[in-house]
Amino acid sequence: EAQVTQNPRYLITVTGKKLTVTCSQNINHEYMSWYRQDPGLGLRQIYYSMNVEVTDKGDVPEGYKVSRKEKRNFPLILESPSPNQTSLYFCASSLQGYGTQYFGPGTRLLVL
Amino acid sequence: GIQVEQSPPDLILQEGANSTLRCNFSDSVNNLQWFHQNPWGQLINLFYIPSGTKQNGRLSATTVATERYSLLYISSSQTTDSGVYFCAAPGGYALNFGKGTSLLVTP
Repeated sequence: EAQVTQNPRYLITVTGKKLTVTCSQNINHEYMSWYRQDPGLGLRQIYYSMNVEVTDKGDVPEGYKVSRKEKRNFPLILESPSPNQTSLYFCASSLQGYGTQYFGPGTRLLVL
Repeated sequence: GIQVEQSPPDLILQEGANSTLRCNFSDSVNNLQWFHQNPWGQLINLFYIPSGTKQNGRLSATTVATERYSLLYISSSQTTDSGVYFCAAPGGYALNFGKGTSLLVTP
């Protein structure tokens, strides 16, 4: 089954404690990206990757890091989380940058 | 970047009713996507529709690229159609999402 997976689905952490949210796709997509969704602000892109070892900033990259060492995986790293990073995070992939986007199930993050 | 505006922001329907959701975008686009976010938060791609009309069951979408708008039609609505409907247009290598239309279908 073609899918995009994220882990964990729910996470409560404290300010400053490094965390990683994993994203994996089994559909051989070249393009992957991360979004955050906040009430009143909608979905905003954090980072994207056009292919392995190619990543670039989206609209709201501050406080986040990503890596793309393998085609299927695109982890999101919060080196020192802060309460303003409390949000619903989505990973997405597509065959190419402008293609149909397939979203993971989302990760709800609460930073205390 | 490209601006994407959706209307109406909220909509309440009785089961069986039809509705039309609108998406306006500020610049020419080479694709337009519609998504449904269900009450559990999951985002499902409904249509990839740069122009023309597509249909999928009770849902159909039309994009008039020259006039910079897209419409999503929901016919014979069901309670499972509830959720938020987003349209999104590309700006660079990101998708720019509208703020969504929140739909509640009552029994």
